[in-house]
Amino acid sequence: SQQGEEDPQALSIQEGENATMNCSYKTSINNLQWYRQNSGRGLVHLILIRSNEREKHSGRLRVTLDTSKKSSSLLITASRAADTASYFCATDRYTGTASKLTFGTGTRLQVML
Amino acid sequence: GAVVSQHPSRVICKSGTSVKIECRSLDFQATTMFWYRQFPKQSLMLMATSNEGSKATYEQGVEKDKFLINHASLTLSTLTVTSAHPEDSSFYICSAPSGWLTDTQYFGPGTRLTVL
Repeated sequence: SQQGEEDPQALSIQEGENATMNCSYKTSINNLQWYRQNSGRGLVHLILIRSNEREKHSGRLRVTLDTSKKSSSLLITASRAADTASYFCATDRYTGTASKLTFGTGTRLQVML
Repeated sequence: GAVVSQHPSRVICKSGTSVKIECRSLDFQATTMFWYRQFPKQSLMLMATSNEGSKATYEQGVEKDKFLINHASLTLSTLTVTSAHPEDSSFYICSAPSGWLTDTQYFGPGTRLTVL
């Protein structure tokens, strides 16, 4: 399986704290993406970082990518209760017409009031 | 942003029956759509790539006769779970690329299938 690993599997923090999630993958990539999933719902795209980028920011999100270690991290700063969700990293495989995504195992984040 | 819908959102069926799940791109065309399944508290596993006007391509280990995919138009792909059994109970999610040769995808809200 090419599925990536994420850690921690579950993370519980207080509102206002930062949350860091890590993702490791196995093959070379074009880009790495992070998605969020609320319980029982579909996925929402958060941020994409290309293989030639090392860091990217979007609002309270900060993503890093280390292709030499085949790893990425997602940092959510000043977390809110509404950030409670599962977070997945995904690497792509280009098929010729579209990119197939391979998802990591996910991190379940709970932000407590 | 672009919207992908799925219907139904939940379905309960008896063992041995077939269930059809629809995935629609509401405001954009999608020549390719993807079908995933997700077990509770687990990640998404790609099942197949749905190609408009041609046969779907299935991932290793996914039975194409069990999971029939039809992509008859640029906005609709259907997944039919044939002769469903309790082990087919899962959350099925579709997605479509956000544009031609782009990397991000829009996901449907998912369909919860329960086979009794």
